[in-house]
Amino acid sequence: DAGITQSPRHKVTETGTPVTLRCHQTENHRYMYWYRQDPGHGLRLIHYSYGVKDTDKGEVSDGYSVSRSKTEDFLLTLESATSSQTSVYFCAISERQGAYNEQFFGPGTRLTVL
Amino acid sequence: DAKTTQPNSMESNEEEPVHLPCNHSTISGTDYIHWYRQLPSQGPEYVIHGLTSNVNNRMASLAIAEDRKSSTLILHRATLRDAAVYYCSQVNNNDMRFGAGTRLTVKP
Repeated sequence: DAGITQSPRHKVTETGTPVTLRCHQTENHRYMYWYRQDPGHGLRLIHYSYGVKDTDKGEVSDGYSVSRSKTEDFLLTLESATSSQTSVYFCAISERQGAYNEQFFGPGTRLTVL
Repeated sequence: DAKTTQPNSMESNEEEPVHLPCNHSTISGTDYIHWYRQLPSQGPEYVIHGLTSNVNNRMASLAIAEDRKSSTLILHRATLRDAAVYYCSQVNNNDMRFGAGTRLTVKP
Protein backbone atom coordinates (compact mmCIF):
# COMPACT_ATOMS: atom_id res chain seq x y z
CA ASP A 1 0.00 0.00 0.00
CA ALA A 2 1.15 3.54 -0.76
CA GLY A 3 2.30 5.37 2.35
CA ILE A 4 -0.49 7.88 2.82
CA THR A 5 -1.98 8.84 6.16
CA GLN A 6 -4.70 11.31 6.97
CA SER A 7 -5.37 12.97 10.29
CA PRO A 8 -7.67 13.16 12.04
CA ARG A 9 -9.70 10.21 10.79
CA HIS A 10 -12.90 11.52 12.35
CA LYS A 11 -13.82 15.01 13.48
CA VAL A 12 -16.96 16.68 14.74
CA THR A 13 -16.96 20.45 14.87
CA GLU A 14 -19.37 23.35 15.05
CA THR A 15 -20.39 25.82 12.38
CA GLY A 16 -18.02 28.77 12.16
CA THR A 17 -14.94 27.08 13.61
CA PRO A 18 -11.73 26.64 11.64
CA VAL A 19 -10.69 23.09 10.74
CA THR A 20 -7.44 21.76 9.30
CA LEU A 21 -7.04 18.31 7.82
CA ARG A 22 -3.61 16.84 7.21
CA CYS A 23 -2.37 14.48 4.52
CA HIS A 24 1.06 12.94 4.94
CA GLN A 25 2.90 10.80 2.38
CA THR A 26 6.13 8.82 2.52
CA GLU A 27 6.36 8.15 -1.26
CA ASN A 28 8.00 11.44 -2.26
CA HIS A 29 5.36 11.91 -4.97
CA ARG A 30 5.16 15.35 -6.55
CA TYR A 31 1.38 15.63 -6.94
CA MET A 32 -1.12 15.69 -4.08
CA TYR A 33 -4.89 16.14 -4.18
CA TRP A 34 -7.82 16.77 -1.87
CA TYR A 35 -11.26 15.37 -2.75
CA ARG A 36 -14.59 15.34 -0.99
CA GLN A 37 -17.09 12.49 -1.34
CA ASP A 38 -20.82 12.96 -0.90
CA PRO A 39 -23.70 10.60 -1.68
CA GLY A 40 -24.79 10.90 -5.30
CA HIS A 41 -21.75 12.96 -6.33
CA GLY A 42 -18.87 10.52 -6.36
CA LEU A 43 -15.62 12.30 -5.61
CA ARG A 44 -15.03 15.95 -6.42
CA LEU A 45 -11.65 17.64 -6.56
CA ILE A 46 -11.17 20.53 -4.10
CA HIS A 47 -7.54 21.58 -4.62
CA TYR A 48 -4.34 19.98 -5.80
CA SER A 49 -0.62 20.62 -5.52
CA TYR A 50 2.04 20.07 -8.17
CA GLY A 51 4.99 20.85 -5.92
CA VAL A 52 6.05 22.59 -2.73
CA LYS A 53 4.18 25.89 -2.49
CA ASP A 54 2.49 25.20 -5.88
CA THR A 55 -1.26 24.66 -5.67
CA ASP A 56 -4.32 25.12 -7.86
CA LYS A 57 -8.09 25.06 -7.51
CA GLY A 58 -10.33 22.16 -8.37
CA GLU A 59 -14.01 21.79 -9.13
CA VAL A 60 -15.32 22.71 -5.64
CA SER A 61 -12.68 25.00 -4.08
CA ASP A 62 -14.94 27.68 -2.55
CA GLY A 63 -14.63 27.74 1.25
CA TYR A 64 -11.35 25.78 1.26
CA SER A 65 -7.69 26.72 1.25
CA VAL A 66 -4.59 24.53 1.07
CA SER A 67 -0.91 24.74 1.83
CA ARG A 68 2.12 22.62 1.04
CA SER A 69 5.34 23.68 2.74
CA LYS A 70 7.00 20.26 2.47
CA THR A 71 6.84 17.53 -0.16
CA GLU A 72 5.28 15.09 2.31
CA ASP A 73 2.49 17.24 3.78
CA PHE A 74 -0.61 18.76 2.19
CA LEU A 75 -3.00 20.63 4.47
CA LEU A 76 -6.65 21.40 3.79
CA THR A 77 -8.20 24.25 5.80
CA LEU A 78 -11.82 25.20 6.24
CA GLU A 79 -11.54 28.77 7.52
CA SER A 80 -15.08 28.83 8.88
CA ALA A 81 -16.78 25.45 8.63
CA THR A 82 -20.38 25.21 7.40
CA SER A 83 -22.83 22.31 7.53
CA SER A 84 -22.53 21.92 3.74
CA GLN A 85 -18.90 20.92 4.29
CA THR A 86 -19.93 17.81 6.19
CA SER A 87 -18.38 15.10 4.04
CA VAL A 88 -15.71 12.45 3.76
CA TYR A 89 -12.41 13.95 2.63
CA PHE A 90 -9.82 11.94 0.73
CA CYS A 91 -6.25 12.82 0.00
CA ALA A 92 -4.51 11.29 -3.03
CA ILE A 93 -1.00 11.31 -4.45
CA SER A 94 0.54 10.61 -7.83
CA GLU A 95 4.06 10.49 -9.16
CA ARG A 96 3.30 12.29 -12.41
CA GLN A 97 0.48 14.48 -13.70
CA GLY A 98 -2.90 12.96 -12.91
CA ALA A 99 -4.04 12.16 -16.42
CA TYR A 100 -1.06 9.91 -17.16
CA ASN A 101 -0.81 8.19 -13.86
CA GLU A 102 -2.74 6.31 -11.24
CA GLN A 103 -3.60 8.14 -8.06
CA PHE A 104 -3.19 6.50 -4.66
CA PHE A 105 -5.80 7.43 -2.09
CA GLY A 106 -5.59 7.74 1.66
CA PRO A 107 -8.09 6.20 4.09
CA GLY A 108 -10.23 9.33 4.37
CA THR A 109 -11.36 11.76 7.08
CA ARG A 110 -15.00 11.89 8.09
CA LEU A 111 -15.91 15.47 9.00
CA THR A 112 -19.21 16.43 10.60
CA VAL A 113 -20.10 20.10 10.98
CA LEU A 114 -22.98 20.68 13.39
CA ASP B 1 -18.60 21.03 -17.10
CA ALA B 2 -17.32 17.50 -17.49
CA LYS B 3 -20.08 14.93 -17.17
CA THR B 4 -19.75 11.18 -16.72
CA THR B 5 -22.78 8.97 -16.13
CA GLN B 6 -23.00 5.41 -14.87
CA PRO B 7 -25.80 3.04 -13.84
CA ASN B 8 -26.44 3.11 -10.10
CA SER B 9 -26.09 -0.62 -9.63
CA MET B 10 -25.38 -3.90 -11.40
CA GLU B 11 -25.38 -7.55 -10.41
CA SER B 12 -23.21 -10.40 -11.55
CA ASN B 13 -22.73 -14.05 -10.80
CA GLU B 14 -19.43 -15.25 -9.46
CA GLU B 15 -16.92 -16.38 -12.12
CA GLU B 16 -18.89 -14.72 -14.94
CA PRO B 17 -17.69 -11.66 -16.91
CA VAL B 18 -18.96 -8.23 -15.96
CA HIS B 19 -19.23 -5.23 -18.26
CA LEU B 20 -19.55 -1.90 -16.44
CA PRO B 21 -20.54 0.97 -18.76
CA CYS B 22 -19.80 4.69 -18.55
CA ASN B 23 -20.86 7.58 -20.74
CA HIS B 24 -18.49 10.50 -21.25
CA SER B 25 -20.77 13.01 -22.94
CA THR B 26 -18.39 15.99 -22.63
CA ILE B 27 -15.03 14.31 -23.10
CA SER B 28 -12.40 16.28 -24.99
CA GLY B 29 -9.60 14.97 -27.18
CA THR B 30 -6.96 15.18 -24.46
CA ASP B 31 -8.98 13.75 -21.57
CA TYR B 32 -7.89 10.38 -20.25
CA ILE B 33 -10.43 7.86 -18.98
CA HIS B 34 -9.72 6.37 -15.56
CA TRP B 35 -11.54 3.74 -13.50
CA TYR B 36 -11.32 3.30 -9.74
CA ARG B 37 -13.17 1.09 -7.29
CA GLN B 38 -13.98 1.55 -3.64
CA LEU B 39 -14.65 -0.96 -0.91
CA PRO B 40 -16.68 0.07 2.16
CA SER B 41 -14.82 2.40 4.54
CA GLN B 42 -11.76 2.56 2.28
CA GLY B 43 -10.29 5.03 -0.14
CA PRO B 44 -10.69 4.44 -3.88
CA GLU B 45 -8.29 2.03 -5.57
CA TYR B 46 -6.95 2.47 -9.09
CA VAL B 47 -8.13 -0.10 -11.64
CA ILE B 48 -7.11 1.00 -15.14
CA HIS B 49 -6.84 4.00 -17.47
CA GLY B 50 -6.51 4.79 -21.16
CA LEU B 51 -6.79 7.46 -23.83
CA THR B 52 -7.98 5.94 -27.10
CA SER B 53 -6.91 2.33 -27.38
CA ASN B 54 -8.28 -0.58 -25.42
CA VAL B 55 -6.13 -1.45 -22.40
CA ASN B 56 -5.53 -4.60 -20.40
CA ASN B 57 -3.90 -5.15 -17.03
CA ARG B 58 -3.95 -7.85 -14.39
CA MET B 59 -7.15 -6.50 -12.84
CA ALA B 60 -9.36 -5.71 -15.81
CA SER B 61 -9.74 -4.57 -19.40
CA LEU B 62 -10.88 -1.16 -20.62
CA ALA B 63 -12.75 -0.82 -23.88
CA ILE B 64 -13.03 2.72 -25.26
CA ALA B 65 -15.50 3.55 -28.00
CA GLU B 66 -14.13 4.99 -31.22
CA ASP B 67 -15.78 8.37 -30.56
CA ARG B 68 -14.65 8.15 -26.90
CA LYS B 69 -18.13 9.05 -25.68
CA SER B 70 -18.36 5.79 -23.78
CA SER B 71 -16.10 3.28 -22.08
CA THR B 72 -16.61 -0.16 -20.59
CA LEU B 73 -14.71 -1.73 -17.74
CA ILE B 74 -14.53 -5.49 -18.15
CA LEU B 75 -13.91 -7.87 -15.28
CA HIS B 76 -13.26 -11.18 -16.97
CA ARG B 77 -14.26 -13.45 -14.07
CA ALA B 78 -16.00 -11.73 -11.19
CA THR B 79 -15.13 -12.88 -7.70
CA LEU B 80 -16.79 -12.02 -4.40
CA ARG B 81 -13.85 -9.69 -3.70
CA ASP B 82 -14.82 -7.62 -6.76
CA ALA B 83 -17.99 -6.42 -5.03
CA ALA B 84 -17.44 -2.67 -4.73
CA VAL B 85 -18.49 0.71 -6.09
CA TYR B 86 -16.82 1.35 -9.45
CA TYR B 87 -16.15 4.92 -10.58
CA CYS B 88 -15.30 6.07 -14.07
CA SER B 89 -13.72 9.47 -14.58
CA GLN B 90 -12.28 11.72 -17.22
CA VAL B 91 -9.04 13.50 -16.48
CA ASN B 92 -7.64 16.63 -18.07
CA ASN B 93 -4.16 17.34 -16.72
CA ASN B 94 -4.82 17.10 -12.97
CA ASP B 95 -8.57 17.79 -13.04
CA MET B 96 -10.31 14.45 -12.48
CA ARG B 97 -14.12 14.41 -12.81
CA PHE B 98 -15.77 11.30 -11.41
CA GLY B 99 -19.12 9.73 -12.16
CA ALA B 100 -21.45 8.91 -9.26
CA GLY B 101 -20.41 5.27 -9.31
CA THR B 102 -21.92 1.83 -10.01
CA ARG B 103 -22.42 -0.52 -7.07
CA LEU B 104 -21.49 -4.03 -8.22
CA THR B 105 -23.00 -6.95 -6.36
CA VAL B 106 -21.49 -10.38 -6.99
CA LYS B 107 -23.67 -13.36 -6.22
CA PRO B 108 -22.13 -16.72 -5.31
